[in-house]
Amino acid sequence: KQEVTQIPAALSVPEGENLVLNCSFTDSAIYNLQWFRQDPGKGLTSLLLIQSSQREQTSGRLNASLDKSSGRSTLYIAASQPGDSATYLCAVRPRYTGANSKLTFGKGITLSVRP
Amino acid sequence: GAGVSQSPSNKVTEKGKDVELRCDPISGHTALYWYRQSLGQGLEFLIYFQGNSAPDKSGLPSDRFSAERTGGSVSTLTIQRTQQEDSAVYLCASSPDPYSEEQYFGPGTRLTVT
Repeated sequence: KQEVTQIPAALSVPEGENLVLNCSFTDSAIYNLQWFRQDPGKGLTSLLLIQSSQREQTSGRLNASLDKSSGRSTLYIAASQPGDSATYLCAVRPRYTGANSKLTFGKGITLSVRP
Repeated sequence: GAGVSQSPSNKVTEKGKDVELRCDPISGHTALYWYRQSLGQGLEFLIYFQGNSAPDKSGLPSDRFSAERTGGSVSTLTIQRTQQEDSAVYLCASSPDPYSEEQYFGPGTRLTVT
């Protein structure tokens, strides 16, 4: 059974700091890995999606990397801003088996960026 | 275009009552997923629909939980005889088909059982 772990559960940093959020997963047989952002009381917004054959993806100040063999992914946020404060969730999708492509999520990292 | 919508956004119910949660997926999306997010827990998969059929119900926590989808569109998640441990945010997601890379999430329904 796939398990996704995100540590720490919460992180507080001063504005402007570069930071790394970690995600680990137990089963390397994944189709892709996705990073989501969740604001309080809101749904999930997809940030970056990395295919199993890729090493990294970039979007603006965000860069996500994937090391499938070691079961790890990182989300790098450059020059953090108070508006980056949210919960960041990592999710993996199994290789398509013909059944479904349900995602397995970590519990998330709640980030607070102090002005 | 319109995204995934869910209703109600908030629901408070008494223990033992039945509740229905509704999901309107993006038009044309054939795959639909229900997830549950409990306090202190990650999102947990509940059920997956492809069209009107549910090939994977493995995440439904008990037989008090059921879901249906009609017309390949709207889905309803029903919880019978609600318990306090059912309190959570219930999220719905849809994708154009099971092969699609991304799932698009709705804002969720926050259920509180008192």
